[in-house]
Amino acid sequence: GAVVSQHPSRVICKSGTSVKIECRSLDFQATTMFWYRQFPKKSLMLMATSNEGSKATYEQGVEKDKFLINHASLTLSTLTVTSAHPEDSSFYICSAINSERGLNTEAFFGQGTRLTVV
Amino acid sequence: SQQGEEDPQALSIQEGENATMNCSYKTSINNLQWYRQNSGRGLVHLILIRSNEREKHSGRLRVTLDTSKKSSSLLITASRAADTASYFCATDKGTYKYIFGTGTRLKVLA
Repeated sequence: GAVVSQHPSRVICKSGTSVKIECRSLDFQATTMFWYRQFPKKSLMLMATSNEGSKATYEQGVEKDKFLINHASLTLSTLTVTSAHPEDSSFYICSAINSERGLNTEAFFGQGTRLTVV
Repeated sequence: SQQGEEDPQALSIQEGENATMNCSYKTSINNLQWYRQNSGRGLVHLILIRSNEREKHSGRLRVTLDTSKKSSSLLITASRAADTASYFCATDKGTYKYIFGTGTRLKVLA
């Protein structure tokens, strides 16, 4: 089956630093990936759509300068949380679509990254 | 809100009993997925059901989908303490932008 890998699975960083989270499709090419965020004891909310070779599109209310997304290859999207603050502490998860499977497919989710900002 | 709704929000049962969780959504969908999340951990994919399917099974899991009522249910039979987790449904209307339900926190007592 299709595998999406996120790295790291957990990260702790100091306030003011930036953190990069990677999302890789291991056995398929993905021109489109998605980033979600889960607040404590809440559901997951879509943050942005990551498009290979072009700018990401962000959902309403998501700061694009805060959450930088780069989709430089067909198998890798990165989310960088810039100048992180404790309120950015959250669970971040990505999903990817197999570009070669046409319209009748589904997105595959990574296992997520737990970010804690201290 | 574009969120799906799940009920119950919390469910506590004895080991060996069956657990049923429901998910309702608002728009027509292409497919619906169920996920499990243990406390503080990542998502574990359970089952995907497409809009033209009505029921799917996987081990002790049974998922139904009623597109006319815009609802799905997840049944876990013969529950175990290890099934204790939060369960989420996620729907896709064909844009691949999944909308997650609010989740059901299941607690299975040994």
